[in-house]
Amino acid sequence: DAGVTQSPTHLIKTRGQHVTLRCSPISGHKSVSWYQQVLGQGPQFIFQYYEKEERGRGNFPDRFSARQFPNYSSELNVNALLLGDSALYLCASRRGGLQETQYFGPGTRLLVL
Amino acid sequence: SQQGEEDPQALSIQEGENATMNCSYKTSINNLQWYRQNSGRGLVHLILIRSNEREKHSGRLRVTLDTSKKSSSLLITASRAADTASYFCATLFDQGGKLIFGQGTELSVKP
Repeated sequence: DAGVTQSPTHLIKTRGQHVTLRCSPISGHKSVSWYQQVLGQGPQFIFQYYEKEERGRGNFPDRFSARQFPNYSSELNVNALLLGDSALYLCASRRGGLQETQYFGPGTRLLVL
Repeated sequence: SQQGEEDPQALSIQEGENATMNCSYKTSINNLQWYRQNSGRGLVHLILIRSNEREKHSGRLRVTLDTSKKSSSLLITASRAADTASYFCATLFDQGGKLIFGQGTELSVKP
């Protein structure tokens, strides 16, 4: 079975632009979470979606938004990019229950110039 | 803010030696998980230990959990150069199902 996939793998944007990152969960997984990992730190939780509804939100500004589609794939959108948004963006999926293991994708590395 | 803190921040050992990494956390948990990350790529899930468990094994990995001290340790026995990576502990918050990660331990295993 394929793991979590993310696209694109790398992205370069300039300040003020908008970016959309995509994630496909493992087949049969209904929950997708997004994390931001700045160099040298652990991942920080951004959003969690389950059955197409937002179930959790981290301490990120409203420039960050996400959605989950009927096929359980997800998009993370970031508007008005700042230099500090440069990071590795990780998507994780799990089957359903909150106690279940989250499986991570390879990430999208975003560089904002 | 980060929930957990790993100790040490960096660890360098020779192949064949054992590596021990520690993690402390601040609030009560349902489970604690350890992940590995190679060179800033995706996280690989290693092991999950529930709050009612004290020790768990998986291959060369041994994880302990002490809820009274709010701490966990990850032991990698007979390390290999391929174990070189960053290791993170993560605790699960029920609200929103989010994982809270520590800063990580950077392990270097020299051949």
